Amino acid sequence: GENVEQHPSTLSVQEGDSAVIKCTYSDSASNYFPWYKQELGKRPQLIIDIRSNVGEKKDQRIAVTLNKTAKHFSLHITETQPEDSAVYFCAARGGADGLTFGKGTHLIIQP
Amino acid sequence: NAGVTQTPKFQVLKTGQSMTLQCAQDMNHEYMSWYRQDPGMGLRLIHYSVGAGITDQGEVPNGYNVSRSTTEDFPLRLLSAAPSQTSVYFCASSRAGHPGLAGGRGETQYFGPGTRLLVL
Repeated sequence: GENVEQHPSTLSVQEGDSAVIKCTYSDSASNYFPWYKQELGKRPQLIIDIRSNVGEKKDQRIAVTLNKTAKHFSLHITETQPEDSAVYFCAARGGADGLTFGKGTHLIIQP
Repeated sequence: NAGVTQTPKFQVLKTGQSMTLQCAQDMNHEYMSWYRQDPGMGLRLIHYSVGAGITDQGEVPNGYNVSRSTTEDFPLRLLSAAPSQTSVYFCASSRAGHPGLAGGRGETQYFGPGTRLLVL
């Protein structure tokens, strides 16, 4: 089955700086890669996703890049703000079964 | 739309007891799934369903049963609760069961609010 590795497990950045979270996947058949944000005690919320026919996608301060050859994808958050503090999960999916998640990155925005 | 709903929000069980976690969605989604979330482990898939009458196992199915008699409901049953099943359980749904279907947006999964389960 699919295996998703996510790094780092904790990331602390100064407010206004950029944050990058990286994930690798094992199954070359995977073709859908969402990113979820989870605040403490809340449900995961989709923030951005990318499909394997696209190399990059951007939505305001958030962008995701995908390298199919290397089987890795990354989340980029620019001009970080205090409300960006949360746990971020990457995931991969190739077939009709469910998402395979990374173990999460705790993003801390320092004032 | 209420989206994806789960009950109860919190439950305490004794080892060996059984219970059912309820999940419902009112978006006419074909695909539904159950995940458990443990500290440092991310979310792991327990069972999933691509439509009424069809279920399949995920990564960690042992100790859990599911059924899908209607499009709306996807209950998760714990047969004999064990302390290792202490976790937060999330139900999720999406319009399509397979990436790329339903116009390319069908696979977006929407999560319920979660059920926090403590097994003593």
